[in-house]
Amino acid sequence: DVKVTQSSRYLVKRTGEKVFLECVQDMDHENMFWYRQDPGLGLRLIYFSYDVKMKEKGDIPEGYSVSREKKERFSLILESASTNQTSMYLCASSFGGRTYEQYFGPGTRLTVT
Amino acid sequence: QQQVKQSPQSLIVQKGGISIINCAYENTAFDYFPWYQQFPGKGPALLIAIRPDVSEKKEGRFTISFNKSAKQFSLHIMDSQPGDSATYFCAATSTITNTGNQFYFGTGTSLTVIP
Repeated sequence: DVKVTQSSRYLVKRTGEKVFLECVQDMDHENMFWYRQDPGLGLRLIYFSYDVKMKEKGDIPEGYSVSREKKERFSLILESASTNQTSMYLCASSFGGRTYEQYFGPGTRLTVT
Repeated sequence: QQQVKQSPQSLIVQKGGISIINCAYENTAFDYFPWYQQFPGKGPALLIAIRPDVSEKKEGRFTISFNKSAKQFSLHIMDSQPGDSATYFCAATSTITNTGNQFYFGTGTSLTVIP
């Protein structure tokens, strides 16, 4: 079974803090994704990576950065957290030739106060 | 601009009834239409998917109907059960371009099946 794990299920941070969200997959997938899920807006892509050290912007990259130093690990970084970044963050992965079959982690509920 | 429009936002169905969720798209380059199911506290999981060369795909109680000319597709859950209560997302993408930033989700439908 594909397993995508996220470092925290719940996280509370203060405005202005630097926040790291970690994601690890164990299926040797080439692609990894970070989404943000908000009620009524569905899932919106923040960034995705198709290889180590490679990244592409999604629909809402502003205020976020990513890092992929190893194939199995993809990190989402909020350089200076703001209250409008309070959300559910979902990580996903897929094989390189199958971006349409994504496997998701359980999500991290981030609250910025 | 929402690439995939999904309705309704929420749905309440009696046990044994049929749940129907609808999606529409505009981009004719899309050629793969998956549905994801998300239970509370979990990430979405691929449920069923269809390509535009067929009009219907059935897996157990779940059926996707696809209308290429209308650019619409829908998920039907037959004999709905309380265990089907979840949020359902439709999605669309092109397997030809196969790039991660051209995979679009609908806004989700929260389904509640009442016993």
